[in-house]
Amino acid sequence: VHLVQSTAEVGKPGATLRISCQASGYTFIDHYIHWVKQAPGKGLEWMGLVDPEDGQQIFAEKFRDTVTMTADTSTDTAYLDLNSLTSDDTAVFFCATGTLQHNLLDHWGQGTLVTVSS
Amino acid sequence: SYGVTQPPSVSVAPGQTARIPCEKNRIETAGVHWYQQRPGQAPVLVVYDESDRPSGIPDRFSGSNSGDTATLIITGVAAGDEADYYCQVWDSNTDQPVFGGGTKLTVL
Repeated sequence: VHLVQSTAEVGKPGATLRISCQASGYTFIDHYIHWVKQAPGKGLEWMGLVDPEDGQQIFAEKFRDTVTMTADTSTDTAYLDLNSLTSDDTAVFFCATGTLQHNLLDHWGQGTLVTVSS
Repeated sequence: SYGVTQPPSVSVAPGQTARIPCEKNRIETAGVHWYQQRPGQAPVLVVYDESDRPSGIPDRFSGSNSGDTATLIITGVAAGDEADYYCQVWDSNTDQPVFGGGTKLTVL
């Protein structure tokens, strides 16, 4: 199982920025893709998940109105859109999946650093 | 408070045993999982369901559970074990994962 994320991005306040996560080594539609945020010097914060099989999104309440999660089954790639960027979005974002069990994250992408700066 | 709580830091001498607790506060869960995160790297699952190990994780890593507190146990601690460790549970009420705040393990 391998999750490869897009490289570091810089975005301007108010803009939208997209991060990608390409999956390989397993059946993409069989397992959720989760997104986890880590602000500088802070802990792990779960943002939400997308079910690649049907596109259903489940959000942590804090992120419901600011992010969109999608999955493209033709390329086995998941996407996280960060909408209306603010300085609070400066962080590393990880995608992850749970193949052992649905309630854990046993494979992680390498992380994508997003910097919001005007 | 609601969720899971970890101490910010734990220190241990080389060769000794580190114990990192994770206290569940008014949260209904099934299973506690532990992740190791070295600086600049992605987290790695080291223990799941309180005491099981994924393949490739050395048996120095184990866990226990007593009442509302799960504990990650690392025996024969070495400098390479210095990292942040996070517990994670699945909240049965919201059907979502919840992470603890993380514990920085320092090897003296």
